[in-house]
Amino acid sequence: NAGVMQNPRHLVRRRGQEARLRCSPMKGHSHVYWYRQLPEEGLKFMVYLQKENIIDESGMPKERFSAEFPKEGPSILRIQQVVRGDSAAYFCASSPLPGPSSYEQYFGPGTRLTVT
Amino acid sequence: DQQVKQNSPSLSVQEGRISILNCDYTNSMFDYFLWYKKYPAEGPTFLISISSIKDKNEDGRFTVFLNKSAKHLSLHIVPSQPGDSAVYFCAAKQGAQKLVFGQGTRLTINP
Repeated sequence: NAGVMQNPRHLVRRRGQEARLRCSPMKGHSHVYWYRQLPEEGLKFMVYLQKENIIDESGMPKERFSAEFPKEGPSILRIQQVVRGDSAAYFCASSPLPGPSSYEQYFGPGTRLTVT
Repeated sequence: DQQVKQNSPSLSVQEGRISILNCDYTNSMFDYFLWYKKYPAEGPTFLISISSIKDKNEDGRFTVFLNKSAKHLSLHIVPSQPGDSAVYFCAAKQGAQKLVFGQGTRLTINP
């Protein structure tokens, strides 16, 4: 009965390095969402993916950020050339196929990224 | 532009009493609202939701009320328990599946 899994839980990167965050959705869920939470703020939507498709990336910064959800394996959020402002908690959520309960998104524990 | 607002950063309630958390929104196109609870160093946990066509939804100790004309919703927890101490986020669905979150309210239940 595994929930949404994210790894690593904590990630430290120096400015200019790449950060790669992974998310495995709940079993049976085919929709994945990424959110970012800055200190003392609410979660901000970044991107919504289905298998091999980006459905909505309206919350993604135009540069340095990318996301994928391949046919096999976890969803990946990639941040290239990280800057201090990228330091935040990144949460992944998943939901099942469209249906009565599809509005409910189930969150992973998050990855806390620190850029030094 | 903050489309979902939780104007109280914190709330302190006596154990056994009612906790009322409030949330306001500006976008009349939101059609579904959710409440999440979050403990430190964990992801948000889904609590309860309500469709915009309803004005009340109840689940055990948790009840959510929606006032569409005022663009306001509230979460009632009764009776409040020490384990309810957490940060509570109000969220609204926009578009296909995207959630828009408020800033959160830190609830502390005092024994």
